[in-house]
Amino acid sequence: EAGVAQSPRYKIIEKRQSVAFWCNPISGHATLYWYQQILGQGPKLLIQFQNNGVVDDSQLPKDRFSAERLKGVDSTLKIQPAKLEDSAVYLCASSLNPTSGETQYFGPGTRLLVL
Amino acid sequence: RKEVEQDPGPFNVPEGATVAFNCTYSNSASQSFFWYRQDCRKEPKLLMSVYSSGNEDGRFTAQLNRASQYISLLIRDSKLSDSATYLCVVNMRGTSYGKLTFGQGTILTVHP
Repeated sequence: EAGVAQSPRYKIIEKRQSVAFWCNPISGHATLYWYQQILGQGPKLLIQFQNNGVVDDSQLPKDRFSAERLKGVDSTLKIQPAKLEDSAVYLCASSLNPTSGETQYFGPGTRLLVL
Repeated sequence: RKEVEQDPGPFNVPEGATVAFNCTYSNSASQSFFWYRQDCRKEPKLLMSVYSSGNEDGRFTAQLNRASQYISLLIRDSKLSDSATYLCVVNMRGTSYGKLTFGQGTILTVHP
């Protein structure tokens, strides 16, 4: 079974530029998550989709971050404009059924460096 | 206070040693608990779920104390391949939509 796919794997941009990340979850997984992991910290949830609807975006900096999952499958996360503190790994994860015991499967992440 | 707190370590142990990690969580309504493992520059992967009765998977034993809001992971007979960051993870939302909150992670290095 194919895992969660993400692209690009690495991105270097200058501050105030914009950037977009793409995620393709495991086939059939209704729930998709975007996490931000800053060096030395655990992943922090940015946004959670159930199919193409947003379940939780309480920790998404909405002045600069946006995400969509238009057809309930692939998702994109955008940052515009980027700040230095956005340097992090952006992880996408998916799960089949987000019950309390359901495992989340993570993609390899996109490493973003903002200069 | 952080929602999920872990000692970041690092823990440096020799092969064959037994090592234990602890984690506390702040929300008493938390529903489920996990340990994830993250290798250097890799994504987190589920190591094991944590059940109230305690559970074991080979050399790994996880325990939960709901009264103290405390979770532990014990690794026996450490191997070089156990070197990784161990993330304590709590499902903070008791609805049908699980929300995982991750601790900072505890770094383990097993040396020859």
